[in-house]
Amino acid sequence: DGGITQSPKYLFRKEGQNVTLSCEQNLNHDAMYWYRQDPGQGLRLIYYSQIVNDFQKGDIAEGYSVSREKKESFPLTVTSAQKNPTAFYLCASSIVDRGLIEAFFGQGTRLTVV
Amino acid sequence: GQNIDQPTEMTATEGAIVQINCTYQTSGFNGLFWYQQHAGEAPTFLSYNVLDGLEEKGRFSSFLSRSKGYSYLLLKELQMKDSASYLCAVRDSNYQLIWGAGTKLIIKP
Repeated sequence: DGGITQSPKYLFRKEGQNVTLSCEQNLNHDAMYWYRQDPGQGLRLIYYSQIVNDFQKGDIAEGYSVSREKKESFPLTVTSAQKNPTAFYLCASSIVDRGLIEAFFGQGTRLTVV
Repeated sequence: GQNIDQPTEMTATEGAIVQINCTYQTSGFNGLFWYQQHAGEAPTFLSYNVLDGLEEKGRFSSFLSRSKGYSYLLLKELQMKDSASYLCAVRDSNYQLIWGAGTKLIIKP
């Protein structure tokens, strides 16, 4: 089955540690996105990539880093510079087309920093 | 700035009809999306409007008025499984999705 997979579903880390969230898709989509979702707020864009080896900052990129070495993979690193990293993180992918660009989401990773 | 407004929470009765409104102010418009998100899960696509009018898909319909910056999602014959958050998102002039905070819909028997 084609889809987008995030792992792990739940992640706990100590304050000051970097942590990397995995996102893999086998939909052959060019574009991939990372969002952060906090209670009572909409999805906020962290980073996005429309092509391999290229990515752009979203609205809240500070304290995060990404790489796009393969079309299928778009890992997100939450660094110790991110002041409030506890959140629900969603990865999404879509085709790059100016028609209906439906985004497909992974199941999310809930990160808790203690 | 860009802004999308939705009610925070709504309550409805099983079997009834509910309308969830969304108003937006964005830099450009290239389509409006509605997604459903159950607690702790990923959003799933419900509907897409790019022209004014009503799009019907089974029990769900979505309406758009571009001149008013307004959309609504209409859910008919409500079922308990419809209890979820409903997210409105607008694609702006740069083809980026701007998301509302979502409307939590509570269905009561």
